[in-house]
Amino acid sequence: AQSVSQHNHHVILSEAASLELGCNYSYGGTVNLFWYVQYPGQHLQLLLKYFSGDPLVKGIKGFEAEFIKSKFSFNLRKPSVQWSDTAEYFCAVRAGAGNNRKLIWGLGTSLAVNP
Amino acid sequence: GAGVSQSPRYKVTKRGQDVALRCDPISGHVSLYWYRQALGQGPEFLTYFNYEAQQDKSGLPNDRFSAERPEGSISTLTIQRTEQRDSAMYRCASSPRGREYNEQFFGPGTRLTVL
Repeated sequence: AQSVSQHNHHVILSEAASLELGCNYSYGGTVNLFWYVQYPGQHLQLLLKYFSGDPLVKGIKGFEAEFIKSKFSFNLRKPSVQWSDTAEYFCAVRAGAGNNRKLIWGLGTSLAVNP
Repeated sequence: GAGVSQSPRYKVTKRGQDVALRCDPISGHVSLYWYRQALGQGPEFLTYFNYEAQQDKSGLPNDRFSAERPEGSISTLTIQRTEQRDSAMYRCASSPRGREYNEQFFGPGTRLTVL
């Protein structure tokens, strides 16, 4: 069965530190990859997505992610975090071609940024 | 415009009761998704609709769970004979007509507690 692994469940950083959150998936075929974020008290919202083309994807608020097919990975990065980045981050994968719209999600990573 | 809305936001019920959770998608969005998220877990796919047609219900855990979207807009997720293990956040999302990798826009969720 397809699965998504997020390696870090809880991350604590100081402002201006660099961030990298790991995401690996298990599926050998075509995938679309997503990072969603949930800020405290808010809805889940899309940070960025990969569907084809350039494997380095840029999203909102200075986030980026790199799709490395050979490693089945889609790690999220930000060079300098801010206190406002405190949130829960979820990696999700849509596996396969065609009209399948089911997203498989990781467990999430809780990020706390200290001012 | 208005985002995805869900009602009720919180529902406490006794074991054995039936509950109905409502989702009102973004106007004009063709696809509607239901997810369940237990505490400390990522969202888990339940089912999705294109217009009024239920395209995939493979994530519904058992026959106590059902969903409908009779007019292709508002959807109801019904849980019959609730059990304590049904306690979770139930999330609804919608997406516009188009590609399978389109962003899913999430509502605030319904927190269900079964006593």
